[in-house]
Amino acid sequence: QSVLTQPPSASGTPGQRVTISCSGSSSNIGSNHVYWYWQLPGTAPKLLIYKTNQRPSGVPDRFSGSKSGTAASLAISALRSEDEADYYCATWDGSLSGWVFGGGTKLTVL
Amino acid sequence: EVQLVESGGGLVQPGGSLRLSCAASGLIFSRYWMTWVRQAPGKGLEWVANIKEDGSEKYYVDSVKGRFTISRDNAKNSLYLQVNSLRAEDTAIYYCASSRDGSGFDPWGQGTRVTVSS
Repeated sequence: QSVLTQPPSASGTPGQRVTISCSGSSSNIGSNHVYWYWQLPGTAPKLLIYKTNQRPSGVPDRFSGSKSGTAASLAISALRSEDEADYYCATWDGSLSGWVFGGGTKLTVL
Repeated sequence: EVQLVESGGGLVQPGGSLRLSCAASGLIFSRYWMTWVRQAPGKGLEWVANIKEDGSEKYYVDSVKGRFTISRDNAKNSLYLQVNSLRAEDTAIYYCASSRDGSGFDPWGQGTRVTVSS
């Protein structure tokens, strides 16, 4: 059972906008930045969003992050087939004194 | 280009030990927090431990406290994870990652596989 809760799956068709939610608590999302990582099968994870809504260089502006209270979300607009991957949210948890990840969301592009 | 390369994984019996290594290049290693994250087969990511730039602070997930030890050698640009008293549930790919100024775990290494089985 992950400290951060994500839906196990999400889907959309090319061109659509999809959002992936990440729910936490006051000790993690409620008081710290959220990070998003994505992972293709058989490869290492990669950073997608840092400090809740910042994109590393090279990440398209189709990807955006936001947070409200103890919940965060990742939005992907103009969905493309190459966006099909597993997506994970993460943040620091002050009560646990450690980083916590969501269980991951498998995005399928139909 | 920043590159992280893990090594040291393998097949080990329950109760056994391994020393995982992560060799860093392309960055001023001593300026980065370093982290170990693992992924069990078919499962999600789990943060394991991290260590401050100078090694003065270390944090562990509860399930590995007392069994795993994170360390670093800034002169050798290397990160380590000593894993003792291994259990079947420690079976996973272990990734190292760097971070600085809250900019997230980036990049990640390719991972090293640890299999605990008799």
